Amino acid sequence: NAGVTQTPKFQVLKTGQSMTLQCAQDMNHEYMSWYRQDPGMGLRLIHYSVGAGITDQGEVPNGYNVSRSTTEDFPLRLLSAAPSQTSVYFCASSSGRNYEQYFGPGTRLTVT
Amino acid sequence: GENVEQHPSTLSVQEGDSAVIKCTYSDSASNYFPWYKQELGKGPQLIIDIRSNVGEKKDQRIAVTLNKTAKHFSLHITETQPEDSAVYFCAASKANDYKLSFGAGTTVTVRA
Repeated sequence: NAGVTQTPKFQVLKTGQSMTLQCAQDMNHEYMSWYRQDPGMGLRLIHYSVGAGITDQGEVPNGYNVSRSTTEDFPLRLLSAAPSQTSVYFCASSSGRNYEQYFGPGTRLTVT
Repeated sequence: GENVEQHPSTLSVQEGDSAVIKCTYSDSASNYFPWYKQELGKGPQLIIDIRSNVGEKKDQRIAVTLNKTAKHFSLHITETQPEDSAVYFCAASKANDYKLSFGAGTTVTVRA
């Protein structure tokens, strides 16, 4: 199993540009989520999904969209990038409530 | 929502000594408390977790204690080794919830 994979690993955007961060898992997990990690703030939940076709907002959803058309994939879209979205983004998956979340290697995004 | 506070933010210990990280949470409905370790350039990885029906759990050199009355839980690492140097995150979630709320993280440095 590859586990949770994320692409790209690094990305630089200009303010106003849009892009999609890819996330995929091959463990047949029903739950997937996106976090952003900023210095001194831990991991903050952006959006999550409890199954194909079902998504919901987390703690910091503004400026981001998600969709879940398959169990495996959970892309995160930045509609119009802003410098405040400079961060490291992690995707995670889990087999159920209160079970281990498996994290991907992260995408480091810089918005200039 | 749930608020998880983590202390200290940085911790430096001599190799062989013990390290203790403490977290408090605000929502008394929380009943699942995992700890994640993040090495440089990688995603967080679960190292131990505890559920509210247990007061203490141990796995080799790592132990976690939970005090539900006081709403705090702690990570104890004994006989620290250089490979224990990393950022550690505590987290909490409720029984019927997929979502995790993370602390801000503790950077542990083990001095040789």
